[in-house]
Amino acid sequence: AQSVTQPDIHITVSEGASLELRCNYSYGATPYLFWYVQSPGQGLQLLLKYFSGDTLVQGIKGFEAEFKRSQSSFNLRKPSVHWSDAAEYFCAVGARGSQGNLIFGKGTKLSVKP
Amino acid sequence: DVKVTQSSRYLVKRTGEKVFLECVQDMDHENMFWYRQDPGLGLRLIYFSYDVKMKEKGDIPEGYSVSREKKERFSLILESASTNQTSMYLCAAHSAYGYTFGSGTRLTVV
Repeated sequence: AQSVTQPDIHITVSEGASLELRCNYSYGATPYLFWYVQSPGQGLQLLLKYFSGDTLVQGIKGFEAEFKRSQSSFNLRKPSVHWSDAAEYFCAVGARGSQGNLIFGKGTKLSVKP
Repeated sequence: DVKVTQSSRYLVKRTGEKVFLECVQDMDHENMFWYRQDPGLGLRLIYFSYDVKMKEKGDIPEGYSVSREKKERFSLILESASTNQTSMYLCAAHSAYGYTFGSGTRLTVV
């Protein structure tokens, strides 16, 4: 069955510290991979996506993610977290070249300590 | 960039009412989606549409229907609202850039 697992429900980091949010997927074929961020009361904003090519993907707001096929992972990283990064982060997978929907993880809530 | 607009940010409806949630996208995209978001459950797909007058059930279609009369508009309908449909509803459109989401409608059924 297709699924996305975000093992950490809630993470707290200090401002300026590095961040890694984990995402593992189970998918029958090579998927499209996405990370979205959601601020309280808002919709989802696309941070970055992986379709093909370089497995290290750069996104907006200083985020990056690395696709590791052997580990079925697509972890999100940021070298130095800012207080404004506090939000909920969702990993998602979608089928290549199809019109199908995205499958989302349950999200990781990030809190940032001053 | 694609823009997806949901007409209402907050709605309060009574049990048994028929509720319409509207979503409009400003590009000529075929694919549109309705998700429901609940704490601890993430986003779950209710319905999606590949084209005008076409619709497909997602993972949790019970109690919902949809309408797609024009390509830019995709409506979610709660035929008879119930308290367990209190939730955040998110609409999305699919483009080459990925999936663009609206700001969401927080629906409370009392």
